Amino acid sequence: EPEVTQTPSHQVTQMGQEVILRCVPISNHLYFYWYRQILGQKVEFLVSFYNNEISEKSEIFDDQFSVERPDGSNFTLKIRSTKLEDSAMYFCASSGGGIEETQYFGPGTRLLVL
Amino acid sequence: RKEVEQDPGPFNVPEGATVAFNCTYSNSASQSFFWYRQDCRKEPKLLMSVYSSGNEDGRFTAQLNRASQYISLLIRDSKLSDSATYLCVVSLSGGYQKVTFGIGTKLQVIP
Repeated sequence: EPEVTQTPSHQVTQMGQEVILRCVPISNHLYFYWYRQILGQKVEFLVSFYNNEISEKSEIFDDQFSVERPDGSNFTLKIRSTKLEDSAMYFCASSGGGIEETQYFGPGTRLLVL
Repeated sequence: RKEVEQDPGPFNVPEGATVAFNCTYSNSASQSFFWYRQDCRKEPKLLMSVYSSGNEDGRFTAQLNRASQYISLLIRDSKLSDSATYLCVVSLSGGYQKVTFGIGTKLQVIP
């Protein structure tokens, strides 16, 4: 069964450092997303991406965040200067769009900012 | 009012019991509704989509009441493996827009 993959599974970084989280969506999907979940809290939408551009973003997704699809398979989330409050689980998701509306989630990257 | 509201629980039920979870959503323009399951420190996984006519998948039944902006999930004959957090998820339309999650309802099935 096709699945979304994410790397790394865990990342520890110092405050102020840049991190790049990587995702490989399901191959024939057209829509890509990043969500985050702070420990003990709900899953929160960050950004959606379609046709090589951001289609929607939340208030959380400020200038410190960026997304990119550098090639035909990867989808990345960059945090330029990490803050302590960026510590969370980051989930990538993808969906086919159209009739197939289900979003499939990757296993997540647990980011810890010290 | 929260966009998607759920009782966080926990619901502790014995094996074999029937348990029901409810969820309310605030945006009447919402079009797509889902129940996801999340195990501890894992990703959300789709349990079932929720349709206006209601739908059933084995021991799981989901209902949607648009007039009351209310979604429910019924689990019959609970198994130990059903222990997880059940996430109510709502979208304005289709899978190409963001989905909004509730906090989730934690279920613990006890032997």
